[in-house]
Parts: sequence; structure tokens; C-alpha cells
Amino acid sequence: AQSVTQLDSHVSVSEGTPVLLRCNYSSSYSPSLFWYVQHPNKGLQLLLKYTSAATLVKGINGFEAEFKKSETSFHLTKPSAHMSDAAEYFCVVGGYSTLTFGKGTMLLVSP
Amino acid sequence: GAGVSQSPRYKVAKRGQDVALRCDPISGHVSLFWYQQALGQGPEFLTYFQNEAQLDKSGLPSDRFFAERPEGSVSTLKIQRTQQEDSAVYLCASSPRQGAGTEAFFGQGTRLTVV
Repeated sequence: AQSVTQLDSHVSVSEGTPVLLRCNYSSSYSPSLFWYVQHPNKGLQLLLKYTSAATLVKGINGFEAEFKKSETSFHLTKPSAHMSDAAEYFCVVGGYSTLTFGKGTMLLVSP
Repeated sequence: GAGVSQSPRYKVAKRGQDVALRCDPISGHVSLFWYQQALGQGPEFLTYFQNEAQLDKSGLPSDRFFAERPEGSVSTLKIQRTQQEDSAVYLCASSPRQGAGTEAFFGQGTRLTVV
């Protein structure tokens, strides 16, 4: 069985400040982990994925995430937020036939 | 096309009506998934196909839901006797490899509203 907990339903930042979106997972085996972003009226887009090659994963648009097995965490970060980053972000754990999504974190970016 | 295509984009159905939602995956993709996303929630798994074989349908909420992928490409999700609780966005995703351990490419979804 696998599950994902996104610790914040909403995160608000100012443009140019760092972003931290928190995610904890539970999996009975070595997981595949992903972050997806969903802009309004658009499809889900893959930001980055962890598949055991390296614990620090770099994704698109300056995002990165660090896999910490001891903490069962996979937090998403970005050094400097941009207005275009405002969207909903989903942490996802992959099993054999299913992707299990967290409930999502809405990122709000103010000027 | 370059991505996963779903049709229709929007569907309004009267309660009790049958609906069919179509998904055109990326050409050559082995795996195809259907998800249901209720308002304000994350997507929830419905079913998984590997080529034409439906290997996992554990997420289908009732026997009113049926999915098929007869030739291993296009898939249809059918909902019989729609109920208001079926209102949601239905997402289709495809992946070039078996299983859900690698990235999946999502369509824009079909928003179903049951009135």
C-alpha cells in the first residue's frame, strides 16, 4: 500500500522569495516519486521524478526536490518564485499500476 | 497529435443518462490510465491498461463504470445511469512503459457535470 500526505493545502509567497512545498509518503517498497503541476484549465504537467538514481532531483522551471528516506519526505523547492509559478502542485507516489496523488498544495504568488 | 487527447472537453448529462468519454493516448504508449478528480481534490485512480489488457480496475467506484481499450490504443470510459456524485473531471494518462513507476503524460480531462 502507498499513500502521500501534502502537509499544506495552501502556500503563499512573494515573488522572488523561496518556495517550499512539503510532501511525506508511505510505501512498502522503494518508491517512484513525482511532482506534477496543474495550472487552471490545463492538464497535469510533470515537474520532476525520483527513481532512485540520485536523491536530489532537478526539474523544469528551476524546481528541485530532495528524497530523504529516513524522513520519508520528498519536499519541492525553488530558490525564487515567479508569478507564473502560481498553480496547484501534486506530490505523487508510483506503484505498479497506480499513481497515488496527494490532495494538492495551491501555491499563491503575490507581487 | 503530440499529446494525450480527450473528448469531449465538457459534458453535461442528465441524471440516469449514459455517457462515453474518449481518450487518444500518445502513439505507441503501452500504458493507459484513467483518473477521477473531484473538485478541490487530487486525482484518484480508476483503472489501468497495459496494451489492450485491463490489468487493474480496482478504482472503479461501481459496476456502472466500464472501461475498454480494444486495440491497445484509444480507450473509452463509459458511465451508465449517471448520478450526481459522478460529477468530476476524468483524466486520462499514458506512459511509454509498463506500470506506473515512470512518468505519465496527462490529457486535459473531460469535465462531467450531472444535473
